[in-house]
Amino acid sequence: GESVGLHLPTLSVQEGDNSIINCAYSNSASDYFIWYKQESGKGPQFIIDIRSNMDKRQGQRVTVLLNKTVKHLSLQIAATQPGDSAVYFCAENRGGNKLTFGTGTQLKVEL
Amino acid sequence: DAGITQSPRHKVTETGTPVTLRCHQTENHRYMYWYRQDPGHGLRLIHYSYGVKDTDKGEVSDGYSVSRSKTEDFLLTLESATSSQTSVYFCAISLSGSSGNEQYFGPGTRLTVT
Repeated sequence: GESVGLHLPTLSVQEGDNSIINCAYSNSASDYFIWYKQESGKGPQFIIDIRSNMDKRQGQRVTVLLNKTVKHLSLQIAATQPGDSAVYFCAENRGGNKLTFGTGTQLKVEL
Repeated sequence: DAGITQSPRHKVTETGTPVTLRCHQTENHRYMYWYRQDPGHGLRLIHYSYGVKDTDKGEVSDGYSVSRSKTEDFLLTLESATSSQTSVYFCAISLSGSSGNEQYFGPGTRLTVT
């Protein structure tokens, strides 16, 4: 299938543990952020988004935290499951109708 | 999957040949995008469209052209394929009325230029 990339940062977690994936962004004018999940051979899948007027947003088993002071975004996955194994990457809207994407983190869930 | 299909899903072609990739959506979304994904890089925007016959360049548009003659179809053409265009190509749509530009992606096309 389509490979996402080589030499990605890797996070290995035990099944059932919580995962935290981090993303730094560079543009202080970015006002909207998205986390995507990409499984091998598939297109990126929307997970959760957050606007810059928020610090935290929760979804089903996922939480996104935004720290605008240090331009940092994190994705927390509760009770990580084998099906969570994938590449996760963030995207930011710097204005207009376009997104800028990070390179991603490989999440590996160990049984 | 937001009703997005891409064709072909896999293609091998020779250097110098023209190639056209098709993105088809069924839900009448205004914005459509073409990206390429390569190891070590995030998704990079090639071209995008904001309506029928309305297109604009992204950050890696050299060597590519696009057309959108119908709302549902967005075509990406490599006029003369080069080995550097070997990549995985993704089409995306942005939900109509979305102010945040959340984008949804198709399944991708793996293109190999030999």
